[in-house]
Amino acid sequence: NAGVTQTPKFQVLKTGQSMTLQCAQDMNHNSMYWYRQDPGMGLRLIYYSASEGTTDKGEVPNGYNVSRLNKREFSLRLESAAPSQTSVYFCASSEGHRLPHSGRGAGEQFFGPGTRLTVL
Amino acid sequence: AQSVTQPDIHITVSEGASLELRCNYSYGATPYLFWYVQSPGQGLQLLLKYFSGDTLVQGIKGFEAEFKRSQSSFNLRKPSVHWSDAAEYFCAVGFFNTNAGKSTFGDGTTLTVKP
Repeated sequence: NAGVTQTPKFQVLKTGQSMTLQCAQDMNHNSMYWYRQDPGMGLRLIYYSASEGTTDKGEVPNGYNVSRLNKREFSLRLESAAPSQTSVYFCASSEGHRLPHSGRGAGEQFFGPGTRLTVL
Repeated sequence: AQSVTQPDIHITVSEGASLELRCNYSYGATPYLFWYVQSPGQGLQLLLKYFSGDTLVQGIKGFEAEFKRSQSSFNLRKPSVHWSDAAEYFCAVGFFNTNAGKSTFGDGTTLTVKP
Protein backbone atom coordinates (compact mmCIF):
# COMPACT_ATOMS: atom_id res chain seq x y z
CA ASN A 1 0.00 0.00 0.00
CA ALA A 2 2.00 2.97 -1.30
CA GLY A 3 -0.65 5.67 -0.67
CA VAL A 4 -0.16 8.60 -3.04
CA THR A 5 2.85 8.55 -5.35
CA GLN A 6 4.16 11.37 -7.54
CA THR A 7 6.71 11.47 -10.31
CA PRO A 8 9.12 13.04 -10.85
CA LYS A 9 10.48 14.27 -7.50
CA PHE A 10 12.50 17.06 -9.07
CA GLN A 11 12.36 18.78 -12.47
CA VAL A 12 14.07 21.73 -14.10
CA LEU A 13 12.48 23.23 -17.20
CA LYS A 14 13.27 26.10 -19.49
CA THR A 15 10.62 28.73 -20.16
CA GLY A 16 8.22 27.49 -22.81
CA GLN A 17 8.85 23.78 -22.29
CA SER A 18 6.03 21.44 -21.45
CA MET A 19 5.79 18.60 -18.99
CA THR A 20 3.34 16.35 -17.19
CA LEU A 21 3.38 15.59 -13.48
CA GLN A 22 2.05 12.16 -12.66
CA CYS A 23 0.07 11.16 -9.59
CA ALA A 24 -1.43 7.84 -8.56
CA GLN A 25 -3.25 6.60 -5.46
CA ASP A 26 -4.00 3.05 -4.40
CA MET A 27 -6.63 3.78 -1.74
CA ASN A 28 -9.63 3.65 -4.10
CA HIS A 29 -10.46 7.29 -3.37
CA ASN A 30 -12.95 9.14 -5.53
CA SER A 31 -11.51 12.65 -5.13
CA MET A 32 -8.07 13.82 -6.17
CA TYR A 33 -6.41 17.23 -6.06
CA TRP A 34 -3.43 19.18 -7.32
CA TYR A 35 -1.94 21.94 -5.15
CA ARG A 36 1.01 24.23 -5.44
CA GLN A 37 2.94 25.41 -2.39
CA ASP A 38 4.89 28.64 -2.41
CA PRO A 39 6.69 30.21 0.58
CA GLY A 40 4.30 32.14 2.82
CA MET A 41 1.27 31.26 0.69
CA GLY A 42 0.25 27.89 2.05
CA LEU A 43 -1.38 25.43 -0.33
CA ARG A 44 -3.36 26.70 -3.28
CA LEU A 45 -5.69 24.40 -5.17
CA ILE A 46 -4.99 24.22 -8.90
CA TYR A 47 -7.50 21.62 -10.08
CA TYR A 48 -9.50 18.85 -8.52
CA SER A 49 -11.47 15.82 -9.58
CA ALA A 50 -14.49 14.69 -7.59
CA SER A 51 -14.68 11.38 -9.43
CA GLU A 52 -13.35 9.54 -12.43
CA GLY A 53 -14.21 11.46 -15.58
CA THR A 54 -14.75 14.86 -13.93
CA THR A 55 -12.37 17.74 -13.31
CA ASP A 56 -12.89 21.28 -12.04
CA LYS A 57 -10.84 24.42 -11.63
CA GLY A 58 -9.52 25.41 -8.27
CA GLU A 59 -8.11 28.70 -7.07
CA VAL A 60 -5.17 29.04 -9.50
CA PRO A 61 -5.85 27.02 -12.69
CA ASN A 62 -4.31 29.34 -15.31
CA GLY A 63 -1.41 27.76 -17.20
CA TYR A 64 -2.34 24.21 -16.20
CA ASN A 65 -4.44 21.34 -17.52
CA VAL A 66 -5.37 18.06 -15.88
CA SER A 67 -6.51 14.60 -16.85
CA ARG A 68 -8.25 12.08 -14.64
CA LEU A 69 -7.10 9.05 -16.55
CA ASN A 70 -8.91 6.55 -14.34
CA LYS A 71 -9.82 6.28 -10.69
CA ARG A 72 -6.19 5.84 -9.66
CA GLU A 73 -4.40 8.47 -11.75
CA PHE A 74 -4.62 12.25 -11.98
CA SER A 75 -2.02 14.10 -14.05
CA LEU A 76 -1.13 17.79 -14.21
CA ARG A 77 0.23 19.29 -17.41
CA LEU A 78 2.12 22.50 -17.97
CA GLU A 79 1.83 23.29 -21.70
CA SER A 80 4.26 26.22 -21.77
CA ALA A 81 6.14 26.59 -18.51
CA ALA A 82 6.79 30.05 -17.05
CA PRO A 83 9.11 31.11 -14.19
CA SER A 84 6.00 31.95 -12.13
CA GLN A 85 5.22 28.23 -12.10
CA THR A 86 8.36 27.48 -10.10
CA SER A 87 6.90 25.82 -7.02
CA VAL A 88 6.43 22.58 -5.13
CA TYR A 89 3.45 20.61 -6.44
CA PHE A 90 1.46 18.23 -4.28
CA CYS A 91 -1.11 15.69 -5.31
CA ALA A 92 -3.66 14.50 -2.76
CA SER A 93 -6.63 12.18 -2.60
CA SER A 94 -9.64 11.85 -0.34
CA GLU A 95 -12.69 9.69 0.13
CA GLY A 96 -14.61 12.35 2.02
CA HIS A 97 -16.63 12.04 5.20
CA ARG A 98 -19.87 10.09 4.82
CA LEU A 99 -22.84 12.18 5.97
CA PRO A 100 -25.67 10.58 7.95
CA HIS A 101 -28.31 10.66 5.22
CA SER A 102 -26.57 11.11 1.90
CA GLY A 103 -23.58 12.61 0.21
CA ARG A 104 -20.16 13.33 1.57
CA GLY A 105 -18.41 16.19 3.28
CA ALA A 106 -14.77 17.10 3.31
CA GLY A 107 -12.55 14.34 4.63
CA GLU A 108 -8.94 13.75 5.42
CA GLN A 109 -6.67 14.29 2.46
CA PHE A 110 -3.70 12.02 1.83
CA PHE A 111 -0.73 13.74 0.24
CA GLY A 112 2.06 12.61 -2.01
CA PRO A 113 5.69 13.56 -1.35
CA GLY A 114 5.65 16.44 -3.84
CA THR A 115 7.43 17.49 -7.03
CA ARG A 116 9.88 20.36 -6.82
CA LEU A 117 9.72 22.22 -10.15
CA THR A 118 12.06 24.98 -11.24
CA VAL A 119 11.41 26.95 -14.43
CA LEU A 120 14.37 28.94 -15.69
CA ALA B 1 -16.35 32.03 0.75
CA GLN B 2 -14.65 30.10 3.48
CA SER B 3 -11.24 31.14 4.73
CA VAL B 4 -8.67 30.09 7.30
CA THR B 5 -6.30 32.39 9.20
CA GLN B 6 -3.22 31.26 11.07
CA PRO B 7 -2.09 34.47 12.77
CA ASP B 8 1.40 33.25 13.69
CA ILE B 9 3.79 32.76 10.79
CA HIS B 10 6.62 31.50 12.98
CA ILE B 11 6.71 30.28 16.60
CA THR B 12 9.75 29.26 18.65
CA VAL B 13 9.41 27.24 21.84
CA SER B 14 11.87 25.44 24.08
CA GLU B 15 11.87 21.67 24.21
CA GLY B 16 9.57 20.53 26.99
CA ALA B 17 7.48 23.72 26.94
CA SER B 18 3.83 23.79 26.04
CA LEU B 19 2.61 24.80 22.61
CA GLU B 20 -0.50 26.44 21.21
CA LEU B 21 -0.95 27.19 17.51
CA ARG B 22 -3.86 29.40 16.59
CA CYS B 23 -6.37 28.90 13.83
CA ASN B 24 -9.43 30.99 13.01
CA TYR B 25 -11.90 30.21 10.27
CA SER B 26 -14.70 31.88 8.42
CA TYR B 27 -17.45 29.59 7.20
CA GLY B 28 -21.21 29.90 6.93
CA ALA B 29 -22.10 26.50 8.35
CA THR B 30 -20.76 23.88 10.72
CA PRO B 31 -17.21 23.37 9.59
CA TYR B 32 -15.12 20.30 9.21
CA LEU B 33 -11.72 21.19 10.68
CA PHE B 34 -8.31 19.64 10.28
CA TRP B 35 -4.72 20.10 11.39
CA TYR B 36 -1.91 18.79 9.22
CA VAL B 37 1.85 18.68 9.81
CA GLN B 38 4.55 18.94 7.16
CA SER B 39 8.12 17.94 7.89
CA PRO B 40 10.83 19.42 5.64
CA GLY B 41 10.78 17.92 2.16
CA GLN B 42 7.66 15.89 2.87
CA GLY B 43 3.98 15.98 2.06
CA LEU B 44 1.32 16.84 4.62
CA GLN B 45 0.12 14.35 7.23
CA LEU B 46 -3.10 14.57 9.20
CA LEU B 47 -2.70 15.25 12.94
CA LEU B 48 -6.36 15.38 13.89
CA LYS B 49 -9.82 16.30 12.65
CA TYR B 50 -13.16 17.56 13.93
CA PHE B 51 -16.48 16.70 12.34
CA SER B 52 -18.96 16.86 15.21
CA GLY B 53 -19.48 15.88 18.84
CA ASP B 54 -16.87 16.44 21.53
CA THR B 55 -15.19 19.76 20.89
CA LEU B 56 -11.85 18.57 22.27
CA VAL B 57 -10.25 16.17 19.84
CA GLN B 58 -7.15 14.07 20.30
CA GLY B 59 -4.67 13.39 17.54
CA ILE B 60 -1.45 11.62 16.87
CA LYS B 61 1.90 12.48 18.45
CA GLY B 62 0.25 13.83 21.62
CA PHE B 63 -1.52 16.75 19.95
CA GLU B 64 -5.03 17.93 20.73
CA ALA B 65 -7.27 20.71 19.44
CA GLU B 66 -10.36 22.44 20.75
CA PHE B 67 -13.21 23.68 18.57
CA LYS B 68 -14.77 26.88 19.91
CA ARG B 69 -17.75 27.87 17.82
CA SER B 70 -18.21 31.22 19.57
CA GLN B 71 -14.68 32.24 18.66
CA SER B 72 -14.53 30.53 15.26
CA SER B 73 -11.32 28.91 16.40
CA PHE B 74 -9.67 25.53 16.31
CA ASN B 75 -6.36 25.91 18.18
CA LEU B 76 -3.80 23.13 18.31
CA ARG B 77 -2.07 22.31 21.61
CA LYS B 78 0.62 20.06 22.98
CA PRO B 79 1.62 19.99 26.68
CA SER B 80 5.31 19.24 26.13
CA VAL B 81 7.07 19.82 22.82
CA HIS B 82 9.76 17.48 21.53
CA TRP B 83 12.55 18.47 19.16
CA SER B 84 10.99 16.21 16.51
CA ASP B 85 7.87 18.42 16.49
CA ALA B 86 9.76 21.09 14.54
CA ALA B 87 7.80 21.36 11.30
CA GLU B 88 5.20 23.44 9.51
CA TYR B 89 1.60 23.14 10.67
CA PHE B 90 -1.47 23.80 8.56
CA CYS B 91 -5.04 24.32 9.67
CA ALA B 92 -7.77 23.51 7.12
CA VAL B 93 -11.54 23.92 6.92
CA GLY B 94 -13.62 21.65 4.75
CA PHE B 95 -16.81 22.07 2.81
CA PHE B 96 -19.92 20.39 4.12
CA ASN B 97 -21.86 18.12 1.78
CA THR B 98 -19.71 18.15 -1.30
CA ASN B 99 -18.71 15.15 -3.30
CA ALA B 100 -15.40 16.77 -4.06
CA GLY B 101 -14.37 16.82 -0.40
CA LYS B 102 -12.42 20.04 -0.82
CA SER B 103 -10.67 21.88 1.99
CA THR B 104 -9.22 25.37 2.28
CA PHE B 105 -5.82 25.61 3.94
CA GLY B 106 -4.28 28.34 6.05
CA ASP B 107 -0.87 29.74 5.19
CA GLY B 108 0.84 27.65 7.84
CA THR B 109 2.82 28.20 11.05
CA THR B 110 6.46 27.18 11.21
CA LEU B 111 7.47 25.73 14.57
CA THR B 112 11.09 25.91 15.73
CA VAL B 113 12.08 23.98 18.85
CA LYS B 114 15.03 25.22 20.91
CA PRO B 115 17.11 22.68 22.82
